[in-house]
Amino acid sequence: GIQVEQSPPDLILQEGANSTLRCNFSDSVNNLQWFHQNPWGQLINLFYIPSGTKQNGRLSATTVATERYSLLYISSSQTTDSGVYFCAVVAGTASKLTFGTGTRLQVTL
Amino acid sequence: DGGITQSPKYLFRKEGQNVTLSCEQNLNHDAMYWYRQDPGQGLRLIYYSQIVNDFQKGDIAEGYSVSREKKESFPLTVTSAQKNPTAFYLCASSIDRVKNSPLHFGNGTRLTVT
Repeated sequence: GIQVEQSPPDLILQEGANSTLRCNFSDSVNNLQWFHQNPWGQLINLFYIPSGTKQNGRLSATTVATERYSLLYISSSQTTDSGVYFCAVVAGTASKLTFGTGTRLQVTL
Repeated sequence: DGGITQSPKYLFRKEGQNVTLSCEQNLNHDAMYWYRQDPGQGLRLIYYSQIVNDFQKGDIAEGYSVSREKKESFPLTVTSAQKNPTAFYLCASSIDRVKNSPLHFGNGTRLTVT
């Protein structure tokens, strides 16, 4: 099956810093989504982005499907950005999302 | 407000007992999913359903069962055959097949089996 790798696995930032999270996938995809899981376990859908670039406030995402990667940008990070960021893809003719292993982000004061 | 409701938030059971986790959505979504998350790990798909009265096994279906008798409800039963049932269970839904639409999650149920 498709492999989804995220980097870095862990990231510590000071409040106000910017960061880029990367998601690489091993096969062509129909769909890519980014999620944030907060420290209490709640998962929020950040972006539905099979290709192109989208922005939502301080967050933006870019997917280059032909090169099999996606990037999530976080600008002016806040402590509430802490948690785990997952990317997930739907490969080829599949009917399900395959999740990456996540990037754990800690934003400190 | 529309959303996905999972209950209970915490569940404790003795080994050898079956337990059913509830998932209800009022988003009028066609597709529903169950994922399992172990500490420090990603999400793994247990079962999914794209339409009422139909469901498919995911990657780790052994020891679990589901039903989809109503559009808004997709309960998951963790049977005594599941070797390591202690985990965080997340229910999700999408308006259409997930390759065409974003996935939204409930707040999860933490199951502890001793």
